[in-house]
Amino acid sequence: NAGVTQTPKFRILKIGQSMTLQCTQDMNHNYMYWYRQDPGMGLKLIYYSVGAGITDKGEVPNGYNVSRSTTEDFPLRLELAAPSQTSVYFCASRNGQGSHYEQYFGPGTRLTVT
Amino acid sequence: QKEVEQDPGPLSVPEGAIVSLNCTYSNSAFQYFMWYRQYSRKGPELLMYTYSSGNKEDGRFTAQVDKSSKYISLFIRDSQPSDSATYLCAMSATGANSKLTFGKGITLSVRP
Repeated sequence: NAGVTQTPKFRILKIGQSMTLQCTQDMNHNYMYWYRQDPGMGLKLIYYSVGAGITDKGEVPNGYNVSRSTTEDFPLRLELAAPSQTSVYFCASRNGQGSHYEQYFGPGTRLTVT
Repeated sequence: QKEVEQDPGPLSVPEGAIVSLNCTYSNSAFQYFMWYRQYSRKGPELLMYTYSSGNKEDGRFTAQVDKSSKYISLFIRDSQPSDSATYLCAMSATGANSKLTFGKGITLSVRP
């Protein structure tokens, strides 16, 4: 099992550009999450999904969009990138039963918007 | 008051020291308490979890939860350089759709 994979690892965007951060998990997890991590600020939830076709906003959704057409994939779309979106983005997933507290994280995407 | 507050860092200790990491919280609905460890340029990974109040021990690590004081701790005994990482506390309420609320994290450095 590869677990949770994210691409790209690094990206530099110019202000106003758009991009999609990819996230795939091979553990057949129902729940998937996108977080952003800024230095010294912990993890902030952007969007989450409880299953294919179902998504909902987290704490900091503005400037982002998501879709969940399959169980495995949960892409995060940035439209009109702004410097405030410079951050490290983590995708995570978890099983829908039992140990709901254990989220498995991907390695992250480091995004710089200049 | 933020939902979860974590002691600011960074923290530097000599190898073999006992380390105490702490978080406080304000939401009485929190029932699951976790510690995630994050190595540099990696994603967080679950280190320990506790349900409700009490202690849990796993090797050199002990997690404590005091719900009456809304205070959780992680103790690391005989700390090793390999323990150098950022430690994030996280909490959630019960319910299948409950989300994790994270502390800001504290960076620990264990000097050889």
